[in-house]
Amino acid sequence: DTAVSQTPKYLVTQMGNDKSIKCEQNLGHDTMYWYKQDSKKFLKIMFSYNNKELIINETVPNRFSPKSPDKAHLNLHINSLELGDSAVYFCASSHVEKSGYTFGSGTRLTVV
Amino acid sequence: AQTVTQSQPEMSVQEAETVTLSCTYDTSESNYYLFWYKQPPSRQMILVIRQEAYKQQNATENRFSVNFQKAAKSFSLKISDSQLGDTAMYFCAFMKQRLQGAQKLVFGQGTRLTINP
Repeated sequence: DTAVSQTPKYLVTQMGNDKSIKCEQNLGHDTMYWYKQDSKKFLKIMFSYNNKELIINETVPNRFSPKSPDKAHLNLHINSLELGDSAVYFCASSHVEKSGYTFGSGTRLTVV
Repeated sequence: AQTVTQSQPEMSVQEAETVTLSCTYDTSESNYYLFWYKQPPSRQMILVIRQEAYKQQNATENRFSVNFQKAAKSFSLKISDSQLGDTAMYFCAFMKQRLQGAQKLVFGQGTRLTINP
């Protein structure tokens, strides 16, 4: 039973395309996140949703749009992909009573 | 804003040795959490150990322990009896204590640890 699952694990696409990454958690957590890990392995938060409400929205191009249909799902849609969007994108979740995240296995996005 | 600094980009030790990874952070908060995450070549982010700032006792998880120095804002990770499976990137991370909603994890740059046979 995967706690936080992301699909797809790998995504190769051309510049200018639109793509989505899906995330689902079965832990009953109320908060979900998207993080970006760049080519130097640096991890930085992009978005956070709490009970379907956008809580954290870091300085991210508006080509990136998160969507949370329910508190178990948080998807990331990216429009007009650019070469610089190539990275590993991690979904994570956490519970309000606890700290620390459970991470998904990441999606490696390559824009060519 | 909080910052986390890991000053050792890479480290390498022999199997069974003890290794210590350094981490310092900067915050004006008094209540917060600190974490060490491990990222092996599989890419999965795995929580290694967690420390609550209000607890004076250093956290321990089997072969992993921390040296938490709140006044110095230092949070080092010690790995005893290192094993080949400990080879990974290790990230130190900070989170403000949250009362509701979400709090972000702020990560350091990472230390690439290699355990040699």
